[in-house]
Formats: sequence, C-alpha cells, structure tokens
Amino acid sequence: AQSVTQPDIHITVSEGASLELRCNYSYGATPYLFWYVQSPGQGLQLLLKYFSGDTLVQGIKGFEAEFKRSQSSFNLRKPSVHWSDAAEYFCAVVFGGATNKLIFGTGTLLAVQP
Amino acid sequence: DAGVIQSPRHEVTEMGQEVTLRCKPISGHNSLFWYRQTMMRGLELLIYFNNNVPIDDSGMPEDRFSAKMPNASFSTLKIQPSEPRDSAVYFCASSFAQKNQPQHFGDGTRLSIL
Repeated sequence: AQSVTQPDIHITVSEGASLELRCNYSYGATPYLFWYVQSPGQGLQLLLKYFSGDTLVQGIKGFEAEFKRSQSSFNLRKPSVHWSDAAEYFCAVVFGGATNKLIFGTGTLLAVQP
Repeated sequence: DAGVIQSPRHEVTEMGQEVTLRCKPISGHNSLFWYRQTMMRGLELLIYFNNNVPIDDSGMPEDRFSAKMPNASFSTLKIQPSEPRDSAVYFCASSFAQKNQPQHFGDGTRLSIL
C-alpha cells in the first residue's frame, strides 16, 4: 500500500544545532515529494518539493532535503536551527495514477531549546 | 498577492446547529481541497475538486458533511447537524491540477461544537 511515514513524533534540538527530520514512503516508483511547515495557529507553508533532477533540493528558510531512491526517503535538513524554526513539519507525497491528492505523514513536532 | 482565504477564522456553536465554512482559492488555481486537523487523527483530506467537480469525497466522514464548489472562486463545507466530535481545525487548500504543483493552504477555521 502507498504510505508516508515520519518516524519521529517529537524532536528537541538546541538552537544552533543541526537538524534532520526523517520521511519514508512506500511506493514502487518516484513520487512527487513535499515538505510543509505549520506554525501554531497557522496553515501549512511549503518548504520545498522534489519530483525530478538533482536529488538535493533547496527550500525556504535555509532548509534542504535529499531524495534517496534506494532508501525511499526524503529527509529534511537544516545546518543550524533557529528558535523560530519551532513548529510542526509534515512530509507529503503525491503518488501515481490520475490523482493529484497529497498524502501526508503524521508530522514531526520540533522544539528548539535556547 | 492574496492567498487562500477562509472564513470564519473561529466558529463556536451548539450541537445540532448548521455550520458553513467558506473558502476562496487562489485565483487561477483549479484544484481545491478541504482538510480536517485534530490531535487524534492528524490531517485528513475530506474532499477535493478539480475544475469545480468533486473528484474524491471518500474522506467525508458521514452524510452530515457536504461540500460544494459553485464556481472557480468559492467553495463551502457544510455540517448539518453539527456534533461535538466535529470540533477541529478545517483547512482549505488550492493548487493547479498537476501532480508537481504544491498546495497552498489557508489559515484554517477553528470550529468548536459545544
């Protein structure tokens, strides 16, 4: 079955530390991959997307993500976390077929310690 | 550059009442999505439209929920009669109807059914 997994429900990092949020999907081909961020009381904002080409993609707010076909992963990274990065992060995927429906992971809540 | 506009931002009403949530998508977008977000169930897709036509309503919880898109610039999600378990944040999102196009989210309607 097609699915998206974010194995980490909650992560705490210190300000200035590096960050990696994991995302895995289950699908036989390369899907369309997205990362969104949700701050409290807000809607979801697109950080970056991937569907072909260079497997390392750059997004807004200093985030990047790397697509690894062999691992069916699309992990989100940031070299140095800022307190304002505290939010919930969602990996989302559009699989094959006629649909353009997004399938969301369960989200990872990021806390940033001073 | 206006984003997706949802109204109202907050709604508090008593169970049994009819609730209508409204959404104005980004001009030019031809896909519109309604989501519900709760702590227990996360982010759920309720229904989506392409070119004003409902494509997938498999996420609509029951017959009390209905959604319409009378034209390209307006959609409603109606709950009648409402129940306390319908309390959630409801998001509307819009996009171009291609797989590689990201969805743009509104700020949501926080609904409380007493």
